[in-house]
Formats: sequence, structure tokens, C-alpha cells
Amino acid sequence: TQLLEQSPQFLSIQEGENLTVYCNSSSVFSSLQWYRQEPGEGPVLLVTVVTGGEVKKLKRLTFQFGDARKDSSLHITAAQPGDTGLYLCAGLAGGTSYGKLTFGQGTILTVHP
Amino acid sequence: ETGVTQTPRHLVMGMTNKKSLKCEQHLGHNAMYWYKQSAKKPLELMFVYNFKEQTENNSVPSRFSPECPNSSHLFLHLHTLQPEDSALYLCASSQLGTSGRMGTDTQYFGPGTRLTVL
Repeated sequence: TQLLEQSPQFLSIQEGENLTVYCNSSSVFSSLQWYRQEPGEGPVLLVTVVTGGEVKKLKRLTFQFGDARKDSSLHITAAQPGDTGLYLCAGLAGGTSYGKLTFGQGTILTVHP
Repeated sequence: ETGVTQTPRHLVMGMTNKKSLKCEQHLGHNAMYWYKQSAKKPLELMFVYNFKEQTENNSVPSRFSPECPNSSHLFLHLHTLQPEDSALYLCASSQLGTSGRMGTDTQYFGPGTRLTVL
């Protein structure tokens, strides 16, 4: 069974601070996806990283996929209250004919004005 | 707009009731999924339908019964549930590759059904 350890579980910061969320596994994934979920809604995809060592930027969000494709990080610069939400990482297993995603436990981010 | 709709958004049922959750995707995808999201636990994959065929049943109790009549619709039939089944049930869809090759598999989620079992 593939597992994804996501940390920290909770993060409470002030507006303008930087933060990093980590997603680690002993398993190799063919790709890794980051989602953001707001209360009462389903997860919304932020980014997919596919290549080991890949770095993707989405405005103030920077996503990195580890060289061995076992870990990933999400870095937010100058966090804003609108960034508040549940952040989920999900790894896609390789070698299957369908997309079986393994999710991390999630990080609940609260950004205070 | 998500492209994946779920009804109802909220459901309260007793342990002896029978109810169904409905999911519809308007994205032309060929795979649909049911997930369970409980407090303090990772999202759990329950069922996968690939081209209308069930390809995954992740050790889900038989009191949950999925149905996929076509590639756009997915149901989850519920009967004799337990209070611990209370959770957010999420539906998702994606476009998988053909001939055993994987597509991008970006999964698009619906808003979920908040289920409470009394």
C-alpha cells in the first residue's frame, strides 16, 4: 500500500508570511498532484508535477517534485487570507490502466489578516 | 464551475433507510470515482469505473453499492448504514488514456454530499 505523509497537519500564520507544506513517501509516483479544498466544496486541482526535480510556479505558489519522485513540496510566498483552505497532495501510481490516486492527510492552512 | 455535479448536497438518514447519491459529469470523461472523506483521515478511494466497468472496489462494505449506467452518471446506493459511515462523499471524473496508456488523469471533483447517519 502506498502512503503519503503530509506535514504539517495544521498551519496558522499571519498575512505576509511564507510557508512550506511537505509531502513524503517511500514509494515512487508517476506524478503528483496538489489540490486545494474549501469548506463545503470538493478539491480543486492546483498543479500536476510529472518529472523528477520539476518546479512549477503558480503566482505566489511554488511546487517542487523530488528528484526520485517520492516527495513534493508546496511553498507559498507572502500568504494572504484568501489562501486559507485545506491543501492536499495526491500521488498517481504508475503501471496501472486507471488513475488511482493516493492522498495525503491534508494541511489545514489558516492565514490571519 | 466544476463540471461535476452531485446531489443531494446534504443527506441525513437513519440506519434502516435506503438512499442513493447521484453524480453527473459534463466533461466527456471516461472514468468516474467515488471517494470518502472523513475527519482526520486521508481521502479514501472507494470505487473506480473505467469505461463504465468497475475496475476497483477498495474493500468497501457491501452496504455501499455503486452503479454506473453510462460514462456520465454514477450512483452510490446506500442501505443499512452505520453512524461511522457519516462523511463527505466525493465524486470525481477524469480522462484516462486508452490501450493501457494513462492519460493526464487530472481528476475533477464534485462538491460532495455531506452524509449524516443517525
